[in-house]
Amino acid sequence: DAGVIQSPRHEVTEMGQEVTLRCKPISGHDYLFWYRQTMMRGLELLIYFNNNVPIDDSGMPEDRFSAKMPNASFSTLKIQPSEPRDSAVYFCASSFGGYQPQHFGDGTRLSIL
Amino acid sequence: AQTVTQSQPEMSVQEAETVTLSCTYDTSESNYYLFWYKQPPSRQMILVIRQEAYKQQNATENRFSVNFQKAAKSFSLKISDSQLGDTAMYFCAFMKQESNYQLIWGAGTKLIIKP
Repeated sequence: DAGVIQSPRHEVTEMGQEVTLRCKPISGHDYLFWYRQTMMRGLELLIYFNNNVPIDDSGMPEDRFSAKMPNASFSTLKIQPSEPRDSAVYFCASSFGGYQPQHFGDGTRLSIL
Repeated sequence: AQTVTQSQPEMSVQEAETVTLSCTYDTSESNYYLFWYKQPPSRQMILVIRQEAYKQQNATENRFSVNFQKAAKSFSLKISDSQLGDTAMYFCAFMKQESNYQLIWGAGTKLIIKP
């Protein structure tokens, strides 16, 4: 079975540009999570969805960040405008049930110059 | 608030040896879940093992097993017959029941398996 698929794997862009990260969860999973990983702060939960509905976005750092899940097989995380401090690895994860193990994608390494 | 502590920033063992990674957590909850995840240099986060707090029996997955001591709030990971492919960052994580499904992560332990 295919795992969680994220794209792109790497993204390098200049400050001020819009960045869109994409995620395809495992088929049948009803929870989707977006995380950010940095050396300084470790793994941080940004937002999660249940059945395509955003449930908790308290981890989203600021209004420049937005996330959508238009259907059960696709989600996006958008940063507009991007800043150098947004540089990090962004992970998407999905699970079948909130208490079940979360399965992670390979992550997107984002570098904002 | 819940916290997860991994006191060993880095460990190194010879291939085929057994190694134990420590994890302690602080919570007032009685029902919760504990996880170990592995992150190799390839960056992917891979679930290693999961433990439900209400289960007294320690979880095992092939060469990986845990020593879950609920009273001591300890959740160590034992890797038997270590292999070069076990080289990775290992993260301990906690999730309380009736929560927002947020995983509380430890800082990680870098494990190096030497040939």
